[in-house]
Amino acid sequence: AQKITQTQPGMFVQEKEAVTLDCTYDTSDQSYGLFWYKQPSSGEMIFLIYQGSYDEQNATEGRYSLNFQKARKSANLVISASQLGDSAMYFCAMREAYSGAGSYQLTFGKGTKLSVIP
Amino acid sequence: SQTIHQWPATLVQPVGSPLSLECTVEGTSNPNLYWYRQAAGRGLQLLFYSVGIGQISSEVPQNLSASRPQDRQFILSSKKLLLSDSGFYLCAWSGTGRVNTEAFFGQGTRLTVV
Repeated sequence: AQKITQTQPGMFVQEKEAVTLDCTYDTSDQSYGLFWYKQPSSGEMIFLIYQGSYDEQNATEGRYSLNFQKARKSANLVISASQLGDSAMYFCAMREAYSGAGSYQLTFGKGTKLSVIP
Repeated sequence: SQTIHQWPATLVQPVGSPLSLECTVEGTSNPNLYWYRQAAGRGLQLLFYSVGIGQISSEVPQNLSASRPQDRQFILSSKKLLLSDSGFYLCAWSGTGRVNTEAFFGQGTRLTVV
């Protein structure tokens, strides 16, 4: 079973509007971290925001916020006031505390391509 | 501050030729190191990770191998490339022992096998 599921291959949003990118995850660990990365067409992976499994508050970083619903195992990214520069691939990822012999590797979803329309 | 360097940025190689991609990290010690591959329009697939010098774990059996000859150097290799090895390769590092530490990525290498 996939550990990270992003069900939206592509999304469109009008400039200055808000958009929500969906992410659900699957883990039996109690301690884990959830991350969102942005990948523009240049290919670099840019870290956006982090949510820990024990965090009671939803994470926020500027225009990015994470809608964390632990019981539903979802960690949706909300981008407010979209800008043209937000057009990119967005990846949800998870790090589990007990994965891979202490490696703490990130497991990624397949991504969502966001296009911001002027 | 920490930086990660990955080269080359692009590479076109014939089928059957060898491959060597190099990644180095500066400004940190004993990092966890990772090689990911991203096929066109797809997510990232973890290929190898390393928690220390000479310690390599493979996630996917394939035509590739990895080595970590120094603490902050990670090399991805192949003796004979296949067409299916084409893709975008990303090196990454993260701190150890914490679930909340993000991974930092290199600029990536776009490999085309012809």
